[in-house]
Order: sequence, then C-alpha cells, then structure tokens
Amino acid sequence: DTEVTQTPKHLVMGMTNKKSLKCEQHMGHRAMYWYKQKAKKPPELMFVYSYEKLSINESVPSRFSPECPNSSLLNLHLHALQPEDSALYLCASSQDVRVDLTDTQYFGPGTRLTVL
Amino acid sequence: AQSVTQLGSHVSVSEGALVLLRCNYSSSVPPYLFWYVQYPNQGLQLLLKYTSAATLVKGINGFEAEFKKSETSFHLTKPSAHMSDAAEYFCAVSVAGGSYIPTFGRGTSLIVHP
Repeated sequence: DTEVTQTPKHLVMGMTNKKSLKCEQHMGHRAMYWYKQKAKKPPELMFVYSYEKLSINESVPSRFSPECPNSSLLNLHLHALQPEDSALYLCASSQDVRVDLTDTQYFGPGTRLTVL
Repeated sequence: AQSVTQLGSHVSVSEGALVLLRCNYSSSVPPYLFWYVQYPNQGLQLLLKYTSAATLVKGINGFEAEFKKSETSFHLTKPSAHMSDAAEYFCAVSVAGGSYIPTFGRGTSLIVHP
C-alpha cells in the first residue's frame, strides 16, 4: 500500500468556521508534510512532522494548526481563515526527512479548500 | 541556498514527438534533484530522482533525466509523447545529506496535441 489518503476532497467554509483536514498513511513513514498549493503554482511547504514531532513550521499563520496524533495520521485544524487561504492542501509522507534515508515522497490527492 | 529554474511555463508537443522539459539548478553543495508530475485535480507523483549515483536516471512512465554538473542542468526527456502525459511538471532540488524538503521550480505545463 503506497497510498496517502486525504479527507475531505472538497471543503467550503466561512471565515468564522472551524474545520479540520485529515491525512493518513499506512506505509510506516515517519515524516509527514503539509503543503499549500495555489492554482498554477508549485506547492509551498507549511509544516513537517518527523517522528510525530513538529520539526518545521514555515512561518504559517496561527489560524492553521497542525496535529500528529500518531505515526499514521496528520491533521490540519483550520480556524478563522481568510478568502486568500483558498487553495489545494496537499499532504505527503516519506520514510524519513533525510534524503539519504528515504526512498521517495508520496503525496495525497489533496483537499480543495474554498473560504467564503 | 538552493533553487531551480524551469525554462518555459508551457511546452507543446505532438503525440509521438520527443518531450524535453528543461531544469537548471543552483546549489552551493552537491544537490539531490527531482522531477514530479501533477495531473489535473491530483496530488504530485515523483517521476524520478538523482541522488549522486548514475547521472542518467530512469523514472516511471518512460521518462528519464540526465544530471550534467558542467551545465547545472537536469532536463527531463521522453522519446515519444502520449496524450496521457499532459500534466504539470515540477523540478525540485534538495541538499545532498540534508532534509527531504525539496525546493520546487515554478512548473512547466506539458500540452500534447493529437
């Protein structure tokens, strides 16, 4: 199983809502990532978890709150978002954050978020 | 710091023609280089990667790329384009021995005409 799953596929929310994005992998990977991708742009790294600990936060606003409950799950909690936060949110995983210790990075299909 | 430059935001080829997507990198230390593909409404998929072993790297779906240090290039090629190759392609660079957190290029959209 080389699949990273993400739910929901689509999400529409108001600026006052609280919602969560979920990501799951069962490949035994110990590094998990959240990216934000705007249309026709490359992915922008948001967070990296390594062995269930947050190792990188790319100066993401506090209205985005990541959580890694266990080695297979990664959540992204959303609160008080702005319309400019509308984007495709991609989750990925890899064996390790170190390139020399990992085979490849697997991406999920993404959650398309629209903030009204 | 490392970076990649993808020349051409769009590349258009006919079905059966050679595909050539260009990528030049900048890195002060030996790089690891990657090509990813993103089909419409999907996540990214790793096509191939260079990690300082063979300079000619073969990937999935018939793609390959050659690492040329003298030219600081890592161009992606495929001998014969298929309609199903139409997608967005991203070149990315990471630092050898460093974190698997690639820096992406801006992407090249491959258009395949029948």
